[in-house]
Amino acid sequence: GAVVSQHPSWVICKSGTSVKIECRSLDFQATTMFWYRQFPKQSLMLMATSNEGSKATYEQGVEKDKFLINHASLTLSTLTVTSAHPEDSSFYICSAGGTADQPQHFGDGTRLSIL
Amino acid sequence: KQEVTQIPAALSVPEGENLVLNCSFTDSAIYNLQWFRQDPGKGLTSLLLIQSSQREQTSGRLNASLDKSSGRSTLYIAASQPGDSATYLCAVPNSGYSTLTFGKGTMLLVSP
Repeated sequence: GAVVSQHPSWVICKSGTSVKIECRSLDFQATTMFWYRQFPKQSLMLMATSNEGSKATYEQGVEKDKFLINHASLTLSTLTVTSAHPEDSSFYICSAGGTADQPQHFGDGTRLSIL
Repeated sequence: KQEVTQIPAALSVPEGENLVLNCSFTDSAIYNLQWFRQDPGKGLTSLLLIQSSQREQTSGRLNASLDKSSGRSTLYIAASQPGDSATYLCAVPNSGYSTLTFGKGTMLLVSP
């Protein structure tokens, strides 16, 4: 079945570091991918929609200069957390695919911890 | 704006029990509804997708029902096992088939 791969699965770094997270669709082409953020014991919150070959669409309240999204190919979207601070520590998950009768597929998530 | 609520927030049962997880949504104009499973520190695994024209879907010991008019869905787990312990999330599309609005989930613990 369709698989979405996310890398890395865990990142621990110092405050001020920029961190890049990759999301790949392994056996299908995805013109659109989605980035979610999840705080402990909270629901997934959509951050942005990544569009291949064009600018990402950010949800209200999400800083586009803080969370840079690049979707340079039909199988890869990247999320870069720039100058990360402890409040950016969270679980980030990407997804792709999904139609009226087919489920959306999610990556395994990236646990980001900023010290 | 679509809102999704899941009840209960947490559930602890002994192995073998049948159980029901509830999901409600405010905007009934949905294309489908998905149930996901999330293990601690992991991503989401799709369990069942119910299209708006369907009333229920079954996969093994799982059965999900959908009542669009009342804005409700239930996930029924038969003969629960310790391996079923996880957080169960329901989600509905915001528009079209794209972004999803999630409930906060039901954390299930099945004890041996």
